[in-house]
Amino acid sequence: DAGITQSPRHKVTETGTPVTLRCHQTENHRYMYWYRQDPGHGLRLIHYSYGVKDTDKGEVSDGYSVSRSKTEDFLLTLESATSSQTSVYFCAISESSAGNQPQHFGDGTRLSIL
Amino acid sequence: GQQVMQIPQYQHVQEGEDFTTYCNSSTTLSNIQWYKQRPGGHPVFLIQLVKSGEVKKQKRLTFQFGEAKKNSSLHITATQTTDVGTYFCAGRRGNQFYFGTGTSLTVIP
Repeated sequence: DAGITQSPRHKVTETGTPVTLRCHQTENHRYMYWYRQDPGHGLRLIHYSYGVKDTDKGEVSDGYSVSRSKTEDFLLTLESATSSQTSVYFCAISESSAGNQPQHFGDGTRLSIL
Repeated sequence: GQQVMQIPQYQHVQEGEDFTTYCNSSTTLSNIQWYKQRPGGHPVFLIQLVKSGEVKKQKRLTFQFGEAKKNSSLHITATQTTDVGTYFCAGRRGNQFYFGTGTSLTVIP
């Protein structure tokens, strides 16, 4: 498996609190992605990064922000968590976005907002 | 709304039976990737199709990309219990991949 580490693996928090999820890679891949997975919706892209300090929105970006200050780290922040953000969050990496590279996924973070 | 539709949502088969899942997009895709996710696991890349009408095989798995590059299918011949999991297609448009909702396959021994 690709060297991707997500932390924490599980988190329970309360509505209105800030939450930051971390994705760390050791592959030196340029592209990093944050997805959320919910029953009946498959995987939906939240934000992605195509380089240090270069990020863009995905199809479900509202309520989320990201930062990438180093190639190896991509952070996802929920500024004020809501119950609708309860989900499993996956980070993925790929060598390029040319469309010919597979995405490699981390093990996921299970986030519960009470 | 959902950019890529995938059917069926669930499929139960007897071991040895065949299985097919279908993906459809309302717009043309640059390419399509297929992933498998075991229960409790993360998606794992299976294959990518790029060309119109392309067909690729991996042992008992056959992947097809439609002529119009709007649909794709995954067919498994003679399913085994190791095939259990959820199969996702992911269609590329621009810089983003849009995942289908997935088909959960249960194989009954």
